[in-house]
Amino acid sequence: QVQLVQSGPELKKPGASVKVSCKASGYNFTIYPVHWVRQAPGQGLEWMGWINSNTGNPTYAQGFTGRFVFSLDKSVSTAYLQISSLRADDTALYYCATVIWGQGTLLTVSS
Amino acid sequence: IVLTQTPLSLSVTPGQPASISCKSSQSLLHRDGKTDMYWYLQKAGQSPQLLIYDVSRRFSGVPDRFSGSGSGTDFTLKISRVEAEDVGVYYCMQGMHLPPWTFGQGTKVEIK
Repeated sequence: QVQLVQSGPELKKPGASVKVSCKASGYNFTIYPVHWVRQAPGQGLEWMGWINSNTGNPTYAQGFTGRFVFSLDKSVSTAYLQISSLRADDTALYYCATVIWGQGTLLTVSS
Repeated sequence: IVLTQTPLSLSVTPGQPASISCKSSQSLLHRDGKTDMYWYLQKAGQSPQLLIYDVSRRFSGVPDRFSGSGSGTDFTLKISRVEAEDVGVYYCMQGMHLPPWTFGQGTKVEIK
């Protein structure tokens, strides 16, 4: 069936980088764009942007430029979210999504 | 586009109906005739699951007690008879066909 499976939880120190993966299965990966959504603890859903799964062209929402990079590897039907110069307020659940959503990756940034 | 949900919380007796409103700051009707309104349910500890797409179409496996309606800027999700498994936070969303995505604030549904 159609699913997105994300990489596991991450614990990082401030200033470090992280790369979250999102592996698609059950459909033609290049047809649907992959979106990224952040959910801070106890908060609502915040759209970060999306990447064209065919061309690899990313689009970033306001507030998610500079430290955030979307990429993909079509050969393994996987999208990636990389965040650099991590800060405590990056602590959140990060979801990849098309119409259906991945299970989420919990990122904790703490010294 | 800003989506405003009401109410923000709802306590419902099992078997009773429930209704959530989502108002958009501008029309969600696209030139192709499609209207870009989706409804998701996020249960505790889970990722959002799609209930309704294109205003009123139920996603595969969604019980028929869930229904969506509306047009233009005003949309409604209705649960005809709430069950215990329906608890969670409901979000309306727009932008699937034409990003950016925006979400309503979420409506927390609890059982009395």
